[in-house]
Amino acid sequence: GQNIDQPTEMTATEGAIVQINCTYQTSGFNGLFWYQQHAGEAPTFLSYNVLDGLEEKGRFSSFLSRSKGYSYLLLKELQMKDSASYLCARQGSGGYQKVTFGTGTKLQVIP
Amino acid sequence: GAGVSQSPSNKVTEKGKDVELRCDPISGHTALYWYRQSLGQGLEFLIYFQGNSAPDKSGLPSDRFSAERTGGSVSTLTIQRTQQEDSAVYLCASSLSGVVGETQYFGPGTRLLVL
Repeated sequence: GQNIDQPTEMTATEGAIVQINCTYQTSGFNGLFWYQQHAGEAPTFLSYNVLDGLEEKGRFSSFLSRSKGYSYLLLKELQMKDSASYLCARQGSGGYQKVTFGTGTKLQVIP
Repeated sequence: GAGVSQSPSNKVTEKGKDVELRCDPISGHTALYWYRQSLGQGLEFLIYFQGNSAPDKSGLPSDRFSAERTGGSVSTLTIQRTQQEDSAVYLCASSLSGVVGETQYFGPGTRLLVL
């Protein structure tokens, strides 16, 4: 398999910052996606990293280290609506966009 | 414009019956993907279509599963002789051309329950 590992569940407080980590197999790696999935809904795109470093998009940022096979999603100023599952997805270098998803991290934001 | 649509939204069937799940991708998107998501699990890749190229069927779990894409647009996923372990949400996604790094847009899914 692609050995994508991320925590199963996390809890954080409204207004706080939370970091969701993801590790993956580095061989044949091309890029790393993060998707958000609310309960009972389809996943929606958050970010895609192919280069090392941090990319920021408003309250959400995503980081990638290619050499370490490590990524994280950083959520700032948490809101109740951020309660969802966050899926880390690894794209291989197979010439097209075959993406392997992790099992997701279920984030619960509490007041 | 319209997003990815799937039908039916929910399907309950008896073990041993065949089912067909339909996906309408975003207009103009040439790449189409099928995934399966079991309860509490991540998305499991099933099959990928790109234009007129031969599909990547490497994720299909058994020969009871098949899919086709007619006219480069609508796709149908067929499960023959359904088993209880086939119960899951089946998600379809499309992207513009399937190139590296492209966002996949997901449909709402079909929730399949095999009794």
